Amino acid sequence: EDQVTQSPEALRLQEGESSSLNCSYTVSGLRGLFWYRQDPGKGPEFLFTLYSAGEEKEKERLKATLTKKESFLHITAPKPEDSATYLCAVHRPDGYALNFGKGTSLLVTP
Amino acid sequence: DVKVTQSSRYLVKRTGEKVFLECVQDMDHENMFWYRQDPGLGLRLIYFSYDVKMKEKGDIPEGYSVSREKKERFSLILESASTNQTSMYLCASRDREETQYFGPGTRLLVL
Repeated sequence: EDQVTQSPEALRLQEGESSSLNCSYTVSGLRGLFWYRQDPGKGPEFLFTLYSAGEEKEKERLKATLTKKESFLHITAPKPEDSATYLCAVHRPDGYALNFGKGTSLLVTP
Repeated sequence: DVKVTQSSRYLVKRTGEKVFLECVQDMDHENMFWYRQDPGLGLRLIYFSYDVKMKEKGDIPEGYSVSREKKERFSLILESASTNQTSMYLCASRDREETQYFGPGTRLLVL
């Protein structure tokens, strides 16, 4: 069964303290791994899509990487405004909808 | 910019009421989706539509139905609302690169 597992569930960082979030997946034939950011009470906001092992994408303090079994979201020198829940997802077998992990709740304190 | 809008941000309904949640996208996307999000359970797929008048069940369709009469609009219907349908409801549409864009969500409370 296709699965997406994120760790840790929650992460607390000091401002400027870099770290990584993990997304492990099992899927037959990856068609894309998606990262989203979700602020409390709002809909998820798209960040990145990664398609093949070795691929990397960056946006401001965020960098996403992909291997054959997992993806990492690296946060470099985070700021309090980076506090959010980060979700990763892969395609369901139907090829349309996404299977989401349960997310990592990130809190960055000043 | 892709824009997905949902008819209400917050909604309070009584048990047994019929509830309509509306979602509109302005990017001519063919595929649209309804998820619900609950603490500890994450996002779960209720229904999706890959074209006008076409629909497919997701993982938790029981108690819900959908309507897609026009390409830009995808409606979720709770036939007879129950307290276990209290949740955050998220609509999304998908572009040709297969990226899903979400609306702001509707937080539904069923009393």
